[in-house]
Amino acid sequence: DAGVIQSTRHEVTEMGQEVTLRCKPISGHDYLFWYRQTMMRGLELLIYFNNNVPIDDSGMPEDRFSAKMPNASFSTLKIQPSEPRDSAVYFCASSSSPYNEQFFGPGTRLTVL
Amino acid sequence: SQQGEEDPQALSIQEGENATMNCSYKTSINNLQWYRQNSGRGLVHLILIRSNEREKHSGRLRVTLDTSKKSSSLLITASRAADTASYFCATDYSGAGSYQLTFGKGTKLSVIP
Repeated sequence: DAGVIQSTRHEVTEMGQEVTLRCKPISGHDYLFWYRQTMMRGLELLIYFNNNVPIDDSGMPEDRFSAKMPNASFSTLKIQPSEPRDSAVYFCASSSSPYNEQFFGPGTRLTVL
Repeated sequence: SQQGEEDPQALSIQEGENATMNCSYKTSINNLQWYRQNSGRGLVHLILIRSNEREKHSGRLRVTLDTSKKSSSLLITASRAADTASYFCATDYSGAGSYQLTFGKGTKLSVIP
C-alpha cells in the first residue's frame, strides 16, 4: 500500500497565480480530507469528501479556494488567485470512516511570493 | 475555535524518562485520537480512544480519557530519541449531517539521548 500520495512536496508561486495541489487517497477509502497547517493557526480542516461528494467546505477560507474530487482516486485543491497569506503546508488525508484513524499524505509546502 | 488544546506546548526530557502530554477539549465528543508528526512529515495516527473508554494501551503508549473533565493524557514510557516529534490530540464530533475532526496545536517533545 503506497499510502496517501501528494507527489509535489514543495510548490512556489507568485502572488496572483493559480496553484493546484493534488492528492491520491488510499484505495478503498471513502473519505478524503484537505487540511492546512500554519504556525499561527495549527492544523485546520478545509473540506472533506465522502464518496467523491463534498460534504463540508465550511473550513475553506475564501472563494479563492476550491476543491474537486472527480473520481475515487484523485482530488485537487485549487487556489486562484494565490496570496502570500496562503503560504502553508497543505495535507491530504483519507480514511475508511470519519470515526476511524486518518492516514495523512506527506504534505505540500506552498510558498506564495 | 479549536477543540483540543495540548499542554505543555513543549517538553524536553532525557532518554529513558516518561513523557506525559495533556489535552483538554470543550464539547462532547465521539472519539479522541492522538497523532505524531515528525518534522517535515505528515501526521501519523497513534491511538484512538472512544468516549465510553477510560484507558487504552498500545506498546509504550498509554492514553486516558476523562469525559467529565473533558481531558485526555498521553503517556510515553521509556522514551527514546526517535520519539522526538510533535504530538497532537484530535477530537471529533458530528452534527447537522457533518463531521469535524479538530486538532490542537500540539506538544513538541524533545528526547535528549
